[in-house]
Amino acid sequence: GDSVTQTEGLVTLTEGLPVMLNCTYQTIYSNPFLFWYVQHLNESPRLLLKSFTDNKRTEHQGFHATLHKSSSSFHLQKSSAQLSDSALYYCALSKGTNAYKVIFGKGTHLHVLP
Amino acid sequence: GPKVLQIPSHQIIDMGQMVTLNCDPVSNHLYFYWYKQILGQQMEFLVNFYNGKVMEKSKLFKDQFSVERPDGSYFTLKIQPTALEDSAVYFCASSPGLPEQYFGPGTRLTVL
Repeated sequence: GDSVTQTEGLVTLTEGLPVMLNCTYQTIYSNPFLFWYVQHLNESPRLLLKSFTDNKRTEHQGFHATLHKSSSSFHLQKSSAQLSDSALYYCALSKGTNAYKVIFGKGTHLHVLP
Repeated sequence: GPKVLQIPSHQIIDMGQMVTLNCDPVSNHLYFYWYKQILGQQMEFLVNFYNGKVMEKSKLFKDQFSVERPDGSYFTLKIQPTALEDSAVYFCASSPGLPEQYFGPGTRLTVL
Protein backbone atom coordinates (compact mmCIF):
# COMPACT_ATOMS: atom_id res chain seq x y z
CA GLY A 1 0.00 0.00 0.00
CA ASP A 2 0.88 3.66 0.01
CA SER A 3 3.42 4.76 2.58
CA VAL A 4 5.59 7.67 3.65
CA THR A 5 8.97 7.21 5.28
CA GLN A 6 10.71 9.80 7.40
CA THR A 7 13.98 8.25 8.48
CA GLU A 8 14.86 10.68 11.25
CA GLY A 9 12.78 10.73 14.38
CA LEU A 10 14.75 13.61 15.87
CA VAL A 11 17.01 16.19 14.27
CA THR A 12 18.93 18.51 16.57
CA LEU A 13 20.97 21.38 15.20
CA THR A 14 22.23 24.81 16.09
CA GLU A 15 20.52 27.99 15.02
CA GLY A 16 21.83 29.27 11.72
CA LEU A 17 22.74 25.88 10.29
CA PRO A 18 20.91 24.43 7.29
CA VAL A 19 17.97 22.09 7.74
CA MET A 20 17.20 18.99 5.73
CA LEU A 21 14.46 16.59 6.71
CA ASN A 22 14.14 13.47 4.63
CA CYS A 23 10.95 12.13 3.10
CA THR A 24 10.47 9.28 0.69
CA TYR A 25 7.26 7.69 -0.37
CA GLN A 26 5.73 4.69 -2.07
CA THR A 27 2.58 4.82 -4.14
CA ILE A 28 1.10 3.21 -7.19
CA TYR A 29 -0.38 6.50 -8.33
CA SER A 30 1.49 8.40 -10.99
CA ASN A 31 0.46 11.89 -9.88
CA PRO A 32 0.57 12.01 -6.09
CA PHE A 33 0.33 15.12 -3.99
CA LEU A 34 3.10 15.51 -1.44
CA PHE A 35 2.85 17.76 1.58
CA TRP A 36 4.82 18.97 4.53
CA TYR A 37 2.87 19.81 7.66
CA VAL A 38 4.34 21.47 10.75
CA GLN A 39 2.99 20.95 14.25
CA HIS A 40 4.25 23.18 17.02
CA LEU A 41 3.93 22.04 20.62
CA ASN A 42 0.30 21.88 21.75
CA GLU A 43 -0.92 23.09 18.38
CA SER A 44 -2.63 21.42 15.45
CA PRO A 45 -0.80 20.54 12.23
CA ARG A 46 -0.55 23.31 9.71
CA LEU A 47 0.21 23.00 6.01
CA LEU A 48 3.70 24.22 5.19
CA LEU A 49 4.30 23.10 1.59
CA LYS A 50 2.57 21.11 -1.10
CA SER A 51 3.51 19.90 -4.55
CA PHE A 52 2.44 17.57 -7.31
CA THR A 53 4.76 18.85 -10.04
CA ASP A 54 7.84 16.80 -10.73
CA ASN A 55 11.19 18.57 -10.32
CA LYS A 56 9.65 21.90 -9.39
CA ARG A 57 10.82 23.67 -6.25
CA THR A 58 8.08 24.91 -3.95
CA GLU A 59 8.79 27.46 -1.21
CA HIS A 60 7.01 28.92 1.79
CA GLN A 61 8.16 30.74 4.90
CA GLY A 62 11.82 30.10 4.14
CA PHE A 63 11.35 26.37 3.66
CA HIS A 64 11.54 24.65 0.29
CA ALA A 65 11.11 21.20 -1.16
CA THR A 66 11.25 19.62 -4.60
CA LEU A 67 9.23 16.60 -5.60
CA HIS A 68 11.44 14.08 -7.39
CA LYS A 69 9.32 11.29 -8.78
CA SER A 70 12.40 9.45 -10.06
CA SER A 71 13.57 8.92 -6.50
CA SER A 72 10.15 9.18 -4.81
CA SER A 73 11.45 11.91 -2.55
CA PHE A 74 10.22 15.22 -1.16
CA HIS A 75 12.88 16.42 1.26
CA LEU A 76 12.30 19.59 3.28
CA GLN A 77 15.09 22.15 3.40
CA LYS A 78 15.87 25.52 4.86
CA SER A 79 19.10 27.44 4.49
CA SER A 80 19.29 28.70 8.07
CA ALA A 81 17.42 27.28 11.05
CA GLN A 82 15.71 29.53 13.58
CA LEU A 83 14.72 28.74 17.14
CA SER A 84 11.07 29.11 16.15
CA ASP A 85 11.46 26.27 13.65
CA SER A 86 11.53 23.77 16.51
CA ALA A 87 8.47 21.61 15.88
CA LEU A 88 7.23 18.27 14.60
CA TYR A 89 7.30 18.02 10.81
CA TYR A 90 5.15 15.56 8.92
CA CYS A 91 5.58 14.52 5.33
CA ALA A 92 2.29 13.39 3.84
CA LEU A 93 0.98 11.82 0.66
CA SER A 94 -2.29 11.91 -1.19
CA LYS A 95 -2.91 9.87 -4.27
CA GLY A 96 -4.08 12.86 -6.26
CA THR A 97 -6.79 15.45 -6.34
CA ASN A 98 -9.09 12.89 -4.78
CA ALA A 99 -9.22 14.14 -1.22
CA TYR A 100 -10.31 10.95 0.43
CA LYS A 101 -7.16 10.03 2.27
CA VAL A 102 -3.88 11.60 3.27
CA ILE A 103 -1.16 9.33 4.60
CA PHE A 104 1.23 10.85 7.11
CA GLY A 105 4.76 9.77 7.88
CA LYS A 106 5.86 9.20 11.46
CA GLY A 107 7.12 12.75 11.72
CA THR A 108 10.49 14.28 12.48
CA HIS A 109 11.07 16.37 15.57
CA LEU A 110 13.28 19.32 14.74
CA HIS A 111 15.01 20.79 17.77
CA VAL A 112 16.94 24.00 17.11
CA LEU A 113 19.45 25.01 19.76
CA PRO A 114 20.71 28.55 20.42
CA GLY B 1 -7.15 31.80 7.40
CA PRO B 2 -9.95 29.22 7.50
CA LYS B 3 -10.59 27.83 10.96
CA VAL B 4 -11.84 24.48 12.10
CA LEU B 5 -13.24 24.41 15.63
CA GLN B 6 -13.43 21.43 17.96
CA ILE B 7 -15.57 21.02 21.06
CA PRO B 8 -14.65 20.19 23.76
CA SER B 9 -10.92 20.77 24.04
CA HIS B 10 -10.65 18.15 26.78
CA GLN B 11 -12.88 15.26 27.75
CA ILE B 12 -12.42 12.81 30.58
CA ILE B 13 -14.70 9.79 30.78
CA ASP B 14 -14.86 6.36 32.33
CA MET B 15 -14.15 3.29 30.24
CA GLY B 16 -17.31 1.89 28.71
CA GLN B 17 -19.07 5.21 28.46
CA MET B 18 -20.05 6.90 25.22
CA VAL B 19 -18.34 10.05 24.03
CA THR B 20 -19.09 12.41 21.16
CA LEU B 21 -16.43 14.69 19.79
CA ASN B 22 -17.65 17.68 17.85
CA CYS B 23 -16.08 19.43 14.91
CA ASP B 24 -17.21 22.65 13.27
CA PRO B 25 -15.55 22.56 9.84
CA VAL B 26 -14.87 25.45 7.50
CA SER B 27 -18.22 26.49 6.07
CA ASN B 28 -17.72 25.76 2.37
CA HIS B 29 -15.66 22.62 2.79
CA LEU B 30 -16.98 19.32 1.57
CA TYR B 31 -14.57 16.71 2.91
CA PHE B 32 -14.14 15.93 6.58
CA TYR B 33 -11.63 13.82 8.43
CA TRP B 34 -10.77 12.48 11.83
CA TYR B 35 -7.23 11.67 12.92
CA LYS B 36 -5.95 10.12 16.14
CA GLN B 37 -2.67 11.05 17.80
CA ILE B 38 -1.51 9.18 20.86
CA LEU B 39 0.84 11.24 23.02
CA GLY B 40 4.32 11.29 21.50
CA GLN B 41 3.31 9.33 18.43
CA GLN B 42 2.45 10.10 14.85
CA MET B 43 -0.91 11.26 13.68
CA GLU B 44 -2.97 8.48 12.12
CA PHE B 45 -5.88 8.65 9.72
CA LEU B 46 -9.18 7.35 11.04
CA VAL B 47 -11.88 8.23 8.54
CA ASN B 48 -12.94 10.46 5.71
CA PHE B 49 -16.53 11.65 5.22
CA TYR B 50 -18.06 13.18 2.12
CA ASN B 51 -21.60 13.80 0.95
CA GLY B 52 -23.05 12.15 4.01
CA LYS B 53 -21.02 8.98 3.68
CA VAL B 54 -17.84 7.39 4.96
CA MET B 55 -15.60 7.23 1.89
CA GLU B 56 -12.60 5.57 3.46
CA LYS B 57 -11.58 4.37 6.90
CA SER B 58 -8.53 2.82 8.48
CA LYS B 59 -8.12 -0.23 10.68
CA LEU B 60 -8.11 2.11 13.67
CA PHE B 61 -11.73 3.01 12.94
CA LYS B 62 -13.20 0.24 15.04
CA ASP B 63 -16.83 -0.89 15.05
CA GLN B 64 -17.32 1.20 18.18
CA PHE B 65 -16.63 4.35 16.15
CA SER B 66 -19.16 6.22 14.07
CA VAL B 67 -19.29 9.56 12.30
CA GLU B 68 -22.07 11.76 11.04
CA ARG B 69 -22.91 15.32 10.10
CA PRO B 70 -26.65 15.73 10.51
CA ASP B 71 -28.14 18.61 8.52
CA GLY B 72 -24.85 20.38 7.98
CA SER B 73 -24.21 20.92 11.65
CA TYR B 74 -21.25 19.57 13.57
CA PHE B 75 -19.23 16.72 12.12
CA THR B 76 -19.12 14.26 14.99
CA LEU B 77 -17.06 11.28 16.04
CA LYS B 78 -18.87 8.99 18.45
CA ILE B 79 -17.17 6.23 20.38
CA GLN B 80 -19.45 3.73 22.09
CA PRO B 81 -18.27 2.09 24.25
CA THR B 82 -14.91 3.67 24.95
CA ALA B 83 -11.78 1.69 25.81
CA LEU B 84 -8.56 2.68 27.53
CA GLU B 85 -6.67 2.63 24.24
CA ASP B 86 -8.96 5.32 22.89
CA SER B 87 -7.14 7.89 25.01
CA ALA B 88 -5.52 10.27 22.54
CA VAL B 89 -5.86 13.64 20.89
CA TYR B 90 -8.39 13.55 18.09
CA PHE B 91 -7.94 16.03 15.29
CA CYS B 92 -10.69 16.99 12.92
CA ALA B 93 -9.80 18.35 9.50
CA SER B 94 -11.79 19.70 6.60
CA SER B 95 -10.98 20.21 2.96
CA PRO B 96 -12.53 22.20 0.11
CA GLY B 97 -12.02 19.30 -2.27
CA LEU B 98 -8.30 19.36 -2.76
CA PRO B 99 -6.00 17.12 -0.76
CA GLU B 100 -5.04 20.15 1.31
CA GLN B 101 -6.59 19.98 4.77
CA TYR B 102 -7.23 22.43 7.56
CA PHE B 103 -6.91 21.02 11.04
CA GLY B 104 -8.77 21.91 14.19
CA PRO B 105 -7.00 22.37 17.54
CA GLY B 106 -7.81 18.84 18.66
CA THR B 107 -9.79 17.26 21.49
CA ARG B 108 -7.79 15.53 24.18
CA LEU B 109 -9.74 12.44 25.25
CA THR B 110 -8.80 10.64 28.44
CA VAL B 111 -10.47 7.33 29.18
CA LEU B 112 -10.11 6.17 32.77
